[in-house]
Amino acid sequence: NAGVTQTPKFRVLKTGQSMTLLCAQDMNHEYMYWYRQDPGMGLRLIHYSVGEGTTAKGEVPDGYNVSRLKKQNFLLGLESAAPSQTSVYFCASNVGDSSYNEQFFGPGTRLTVL
Amino acid sequence: SQQGEEDPQALSIQEGENATMNCSYKTSINNLQWYRQNSGRGLVHLILIRSNEREKHSGRLRVTLDTSKKSSSLLITASRAADTASYFCATGMDSNYQLIWGAGTKLIIKP
Repeated sequence: NAGVTQTPKFRVLKTGQSMTLLCAQDMNHEYMYWYRQDPGMGLRLIHYSVGEGTTAKGEVPDGYNVSRLKKQNFLLGLESAAPSQTSVYFCASNVGDSSYNEQFFGPGTRLTVL
Repeated sequence: SQQGEEDPQALSIQEGENATMNCSYKTSINNLQWYRQNSGRGLVHLILIRSNEREKHSGRLRVTLDTSKKSSSLLITASRAADTASYFCATGMDSNYQLIWGAGTKLIIKP
């Protein structure tokens, strides 16, 4: 099992460009999450999904969109990248249905917006 | 807004010593989890303690939870170089299934 995978691992964008980050999990998890991690701060939830075809906003959703067309995939889109979106992005998944379930993380995508 | 806050922000100790990290939170929780993040990698779950538990062990890890003080501690005994990482606490609440994360403690184990 690969667990949670993310592509790409690194990306440099210019302000105003768009891109999509892909997260895939092979654990048949219902719940998937996108976080951003900035220096000196904990993870902040951007968007999440409680099942195929569903998405919801987290703590910092502005400037991002998501889609969950297939259960195993969760896509994070930046429509018009801004320097403030320079960060490391992590995808996570779990069984869901309560906060007792541990989250499984991907290796992260390091994004720089110039 | 962040729920958990770790203390200290950074900790450097000699190999073989014990490392203690603390986490404080603000509202009622139903569980608290600790995760480890090695440099440049994703987070890995270490241990979960429920709100009705006071102490839990897993190998060289010992976690305590004091709900009256809204705080938790993670003790790593007999530290090894491989324990060098950042450690994060995350709290879960009855109202939803999301976790709220602290800013982490960076632990360096010197050989």
